[in-house]
Amino acid sequence: QKEVEQDPGPLSVPEGAIVSLNCTYSNSAFQYFMWYRQYSRKGPELLMYTYSSGNKEDGRFTAQVDKSSKYISLFIRDSQPSDSATYLCAMTDRYGSARQLTFGSGTQLTVLP
Amino acid sequence: EPEVTQTPSHQVTQMGQEVILRCVPISNHLYFYWYRQILGQKVEFLVSFYNNEISEKSEIFDDQFSVERPDGSNFTLKIRSTKLEDSAMYFCASSDLGKTNEKLFFGSGTQLSVL
Repeated sequence: QKEVEQDPGPLSVPEGAIVSLNCTYSNSAFQYFMWYRQYSRKGPELLMYTYSSGNKEDGRFTAQVDKSSKYISLFIRDSQPSDSATYLCAMTDRYGSARQLTFGSGTQLTVLP
Repeated sequence: EPEVTQTPSHQVTQMGQEVILRCVPISNHLYFYWYRQILGQKVEFLVSFYNNEISEKSEIFDDQFSVERPDGSNFTLKIRSTKLEDSAMYFCASSDLGKTNEKLFFGSGTQLSVL
């Protein structure tokens, strides 16, 4: 079983739609959860960062973590064409002096005008 | 806004040659990382570096790879004898010291092509 699984898509939605992106994981030691956005041929850009279970909102973005189900989600409200990118979930555990992120495979999102 | 910068953006080399990829992390960050992404595959961890030594490394980071912080601003990845399978986008990242050092900030990457 892969440590982090993410639906690769591609996902295509009309402008203004609500988008739901999801990842599941198997390692119960993961404590820190992140969503990165990656435009073509660019580095991942940190969007959201959460610790443990619960919701976190930042503008049009909401990150949700359910540790009991080992499931995390990113919701994008009022999606815009500029949101078109690949979205990567990433996570790490609490141990160690430096953090090694484990990434999902990424979901490619296209928001159509 | 501070950012991680990487040079060059593209590097083409012949198999067996040595390459050095360069990075300038965010200035107040103390943890440095190299990740790579083979086309169409996941972003994979290579190595983390703190206090002038390697903190963690993955199985990918074998004896052909080395990292160095030659001065107060640069962080480099050297591949001693490149193989075809080293062709990938290499990302440098950095994070600060403290409770949020899980937040990694990535550069735009160096696309390495080994011919």
